[in-house]
Amino acid sequence: DTAVSQTPKYLVTQMGNDKSIKCEQNLGHDTMYWYKQDSKKFLKIMFSYNNKELIINETVPNRFSPKSPDKAHLNLHINSLELGDSAVYFCASSYRQNTEAFFGQGTRLTVV
Amino acid sequence: AQSVTQLDSQVPVFEEAPVELRCNYSSSVSVYLFWYVQYPNQGLQLLLKYLSGSTLVKGINGFEAEFNKSQTSFHLRKPSVHISDTAEYFCAVLQGGSEKLVFGKGTKLTVNP
Repeated sequence: DTAVSQTPKYLVTQMGNDKSIKCEQNLGHDTMYWYKQDSKKFLKIMFSYNNKELIINETVPNRFSPKSPDKAHLNLHINSLELGDSAVYFCASSYRQNTEAFFGQGTRLTVV
Repeated sequence: AQSVTQLDSQVPVFEEAPVELRCNYSSSVSVYLFWYVQYPNQGLQLLLKYLSGSTLVKGINGFEAEFNKSQTSFHLRKPSVHISDTAEYFCAVLQGGSEKLVFGKGTKLTVNP
C-alpha cells in the first residue's frame, strides 16, 4: 500500500485556470507538508500542517491555498495559474517534529 | 536561517568505484540530518538519518554518512557504487524544535560502466 499518495501524477493546464492536487497519507502521521521542486531540482517547503492546523506558510503567493479536511489529507489548490508555477509538487508527512518526512511520488504541473 | 550546502552539483564515477557526496550545514544548534535519494521521475526516498548517538550512520543500499559537528558536515559515502545508484541525492537538515526540513540543492550522481 502506498504510504503517501498524490493525485494526479501529471497535470497540464492553461494559464489562468484553477487546479487542485490531492494528497493522502495512511501512515497515521499528524504533520503534512507541501514542497515545490523547480526545474533545477531545488526543493523548498511551501506549507506545513499539524493536526489540520497551519504551522508553516513560507512566502508563497496567495493564489496557493492548502486545505486539510482531516489529519490524513492535505490538498493544494492553485488559482489563476501562471507559467512560473510549472514545477513538481511533493506532498510529505511525518509523525512529529524531529523525525523524517515520507514523500509522495510528486505531481508534475505544467502550465502552458 | 538554516542552510545546507552540497558542494558538488554533479559527480560522475565509474562502477565499483568509491564515492563521497559532500554536505555542510550552517546551524550551530542541535540539528537532525538526512540524506534522501530521488531516482528519475520518482519521489524522494530516505537513505539514512542522524538524530543522535553514533556519528556514523548506516543506511539502505550500502550507503553510510558521518556526522561531524566541529566541521558541520554530513558527507555521504559508499565504498563501491553500482549503475543503479545513478540518481539525485539530497542532504537535508531539520533544526531542533522546527518542523521545516531544509534541503541542499542536490548532487547528481552518475555511475558509468
